[in-house]
Amino acid sequence: GQSLEQPSEVTAVEGAIVQMNCTYQTSGFYGLSWYQQHDGGAPTFLSYNALDGLEETGRFSSFLSRSDSYGYLLLQELQMKDSASYFCAVRGQAGTALIFGKGTTLSVSS
Amino acid sequence: NAGVTQTPKFQVLKTGQSMTLQCAQDMNHEYMSWYRQDPGMGLRLIHYSVGAGITDQGEVPNGYNVSRSTTEDFPLRLLSAAPSQTSVYFCASSYAATGQSGYTFGSGTRLTVV
Repeated sequence: GQSLEQPSEVTAVEGAIVQMNCTYQTSGFYGLSWYQQHDGGAPTFLSYNALDGLEETGRFSSFLSRSDSYGYLLLQELQMKDSASYFCAVRGQAGTALIFGKGTTLSVSS
Repeated sequence: NAGVTQTPKFQVLKTGQSMTLQCAQDMNHEYMSWYRQDPGMGLRLIHYSVGAGITDQGEVPNGYNVSRSTTEDFPLRLLSAAPSQTSVYFCASSYAATGQSGYTFGSGTRLTVV
C-alpha cells in the first residue's frame, strides 16, 4: 500500500518563505504531486515531480528526493491568499489513481 | 469549458436511502476518480476508472458502487446510506496516467446522512 505523512499545520507571515514537507511510502513510484485547496473549494493542481530535484513555477517550487522518499513544497513571498491546505499525492502503481496525504494547513498572517 | 461537473452540490439523505452522485467531464480524459473528504482525513480514494468499462476499488470502497459506460460519465452510487457516509465527495479526471498533467476536480457534493 501507500502512505504519506505531512505536518498538520504551518503558520507564517506575509512576505516570508515557507516549506511544507511530505514523506511517502509506496511499493512503486510514479511521481509526487502537490495540490492546493482553499476552504470550501476544490483541490487544484500545483506541481508534479517525477525526477529528483527542484521544479519552479513562479513563487512555488517543489522538490523531490526519491532516495529519501521525501519531497517539499516551497512558497516564497507569501501572500494572504496563500492561506489554504496543501496536499501531496503519489501514485504507487502503474494504472492506479493518486493517493493523497492528510494535508498541511497554511495560515498566513499580516 | 465546463471541466468536471458534479451534481447535486448538496444532498440530505435518510439512513438506508440510496442515491447516485453524478460526475461528467468534457475534456476527453480517460482517468476518473472519486474521493471523499472528511475533516482531518485528507482525500481518500473510493473508486477509480482508467477508461470506459474499467473500474477498480480504492482505499475506502465499501458501501459504494461505480460504473463507467462512457468516457464522459462516472457516477457514484450509495447503496444504503449510513451516517458514516456524511462527507464531501469530489470527482476528478486526468489525461495522463502518471499525474503529470494534474487532476481536474469538480466542485464537490456535500452529503449529509441523517
